Amino acid sequence: EVQLVQSGVEVKKPGDSLRISCKASGYTFTTNGIAWLRQVPGKGLDWLGVIFPRNSDARYSPSFRGQVAISVDKSISTAYLQWGSLKASDSAIYYCARRASSGTWDYWGQGTMVTVS
Amino acid sequence: QSVLTQPPSVSAAPGQMVTISCSGGSSNIENNYVSWYQQLPGTAPKLLVYDNNKRPSGIPDRFSGSKSGTSATLAITGLQTGDEADYFCGTWDSRLTTGVFGGGTKLTVL
Repeated sequence: EVQLVQSGVEVKKPGDSLRISCKASGYTFTTNGIAWLRQVPGKGLDWLGVIFPRNSDARYSPSFRGQVAISVDKSISTAYLQWGSLKASDSAIYYCARRASSGTWDYWGQGTMVTVS
Repeated sequence: QSVLTQPPSVSAAPGQMVTISCSGGSSNIENNYVSWYQQLPGTAPKLLVYDNNKRPSGIPDRFSGSKSGTSATLAITGLQTGDEADYFCGTWDSRLTTGVFGGGTKLTVL
C-alpha cells in the first residue's frame, strides 16, 4: 500500500527557518516524483514544485522559486520542503503528493499545518 | 486567483446527478490531461479521475470525467450524503510550467 506520511504541526515565528518532511512507503521511491502543494484553509491548492528522487532534480513554480527549497534523501525515502526565513503569509497546510504524470498526483500525505505568528 | 475556474458551489438532492465544470485555456486544459480530486472536510485531497476520464481502482463509476476543448467536467450520479465535499480540478500548464488547480467547488447534498 502506497503511503506518504508527513511530519507534524509546526508553530513558528516570522524569520524562523523550517524543514518539513514526507516519508514514502509501499513503492519504489525513485520511480515517481514528489510534489509539494499549499492550501490555505477554505481556499484552493497552490503547486509549489516537484522533485524527482532518481536524480534529485527539483523544479519550482515561478511563484515559489527562491521562496522554498525541495530536497530528498533517497536512503530513507523522504522528501523535504524547507524555508530559510518564514513569513506570516507562509501559514497554510502543506501537502506532499506522488506525481503519477505531469498533471496527476495520485497519493497524498495527510498534510502539515504550518502557523507563522 | 486560480488559473482554472470552477463554480464555488453546487447542490442537488440525494439520488440526483450533479456536474461540476472546470474552465481553462490552451496552455493547460486544452493540451494536457485533467484530473479531479475530492477533499472531505479535514482531510487531504483524494484522486477521483485522471487522464480526463479514467478512474483509479476503488473509485465508483458514479464519478466520471470528460473534457472538451478548454473545459472539463466532473459528473456525479446517484448522489449520497457522503459525497458532500470540496472538488478540485487540476492539470499541468505548459506556459507557466507548473501544476494548476481550480479554486474548488463545494458540493452540498440537500
